[in-house]
Amino acid sequence: AQTVTQSQPEMSVQEAETVTLSCTYDTSENNYYLFWYKQPPSRQMILVIRQEAYKQQNATENRFSVNFQKAAKSFSLKISDSQLGDTAMYFCAFMRRGNKLVFGAGTILRVKS
Amino acid sequence: DTEVTQTPKHLVMGMTNKKSLKCEQHMGHRAMYWYKQKAKKPPELMFVYSYEKLSINESVPSRFSPECPNSSLLNLHLHALQPEDSALYLCASSLRPGRGTDTQYFGPGTRLTVL
Repeated sequence: AQTVTQSQPEMSVQEAETVTLSCTYDTSENNYYLFWYKQPPSRQMILVIRQEAYKQQNATENRFSVNFQKAAKSFSLKISDSQLGDTAMYFCAFMRRGNKLVFGAGTILRVKS
Repeated sequence: DTEVTQTPKHLVMGMTNKKSLKCEQHMGHRAMYWYKQKAKKPPELMFVYSYEKLSINESVPSRFSPECPNSSLLNLHLHALQPEDSALYLCASSLRPGRGTDTQYFGPGTRLTVL
């Protein structure tokens, strides 16, 4: 069975600094997708970034980038120039066949001014 | 536009009430999902509809009854709920079901309280 592990329950970062959220996963599949979703206190789950496992190049979206290490089954999220609006719960997720998302437990990120 | 809308935003119901949650998307997506989310926990999948047909039921109690009247609309009918069913109910949609991998876009959720 696929599992996703986020080992950091909570993290804090100063505004304008960089922070990295960790995620590891376990699967026997070779082709899959990985996602980071953000859920602010307003509760809407927002897609931050996605990575195709067959692509070696790390995905980037503006201030958000990932470090995808397929052999190590690691998928960390780096947020550069952190902003107050980045305060949220961040979920790492693995896409299984059949369109089933497997979520990690989440990391609460607080950006401080 | 990646908008999924959900109504109502908040719902309070008694254990003997019947109510419905509504989800709508106009992105031409052919897969729609219901998730249940408890506070500070990840979402838990409940149901998946692919091409308007129920494709996954994650052993959800029968007091939750999903319905997909058309490709844009998804309902969740609630009856005889328990207080432990209080949670945030999230709807999501994706473009191409059954294609192995497909990005899901979420609605803002309905906060349900069962008294």
